[in-house]
Amino acid sequence: NAGVTQTPKFQVLKTGQSMTLQCAQDMNHEYMSWYRQDPGMGLRLIHYSVGAGITDQGEVPNGYNVSRSTTEDFPLRLLSAAPSQTSVYFCASSYSPASGRWNEQFFGPGTRLTVL
Amino acid sequence: AQSVTQPDIHITVSEGASLELRCNYSYGATPYLFWYVQSPGQGLQLLLKYFSGDTLVQGIKGFEAEFKRSQSSFNLRKPSVHWSDAAEYFCAVGARGGADGLTFGKGTHLIIQP
Repeated sequence: NAGVTQTPKFQVLKTGQSMTLQCAQDMNHEYMSWYRQDPGMGLRLIHYSVGAGITDQGEVPNGYNVSRSTTEDFPLRLLSAAPSQTSVYFCASSYSPASGRWNEQFFGPGTRLTVL
Repeated sequence: AQSVTQPDIHITVSEGASLELRCNYSYGATPYLFWYVQSPGQGLQLLLKYFSGDTLVQGIKGFEAEFKRSQSSFNLRKPSVHWSDAAEYFCAVGARGGADGLTFGKGTHLIIQP
């Protein structure tokens, strides 16, 4: 199993550009989440999903869109990038229906995004 | 809404000394509690977790944590630190079985003195 994968690892954008951060997991997890990490702030939840077709907002959703068309993928879209979105982004997944219970969140390696 | 407080932004410990990192949480029901470690430029690695049962949980790398409901605390301990333990440590709490993600503390930066 590859676990949780994220692409790209690094990205530089100009203000106003759009892009999609990719996240995929191969553990058949129902729950997936996106976080951003900023110095001194810990990780903050952007959006989460409890299954295909179901998404909801976290603590800091403004400026980001998500969709969940399959169990495996949970892309994060920046529609019009702003310097305030410069951050490290982590995707995570948890809960396997086969196990019938929730376990810890498995994190991807992160995407470091700089918006100029 | 749930919250996590890690009162110490930085902690400096001598190699071989004992370590305790503090974590206090606010949550209205039975919490799911976690400690993660992050080395510079790296992702997050789970050290240990508490869901229910025995309040003293053992984790990887010689770490343990104790859940104290009366104090709303989940402090992380290690009897003897190694230079490789220098990293950022995050406490987190989950709600509704984790369906709506985790709430993290702001982290404690651990510095190891030779």
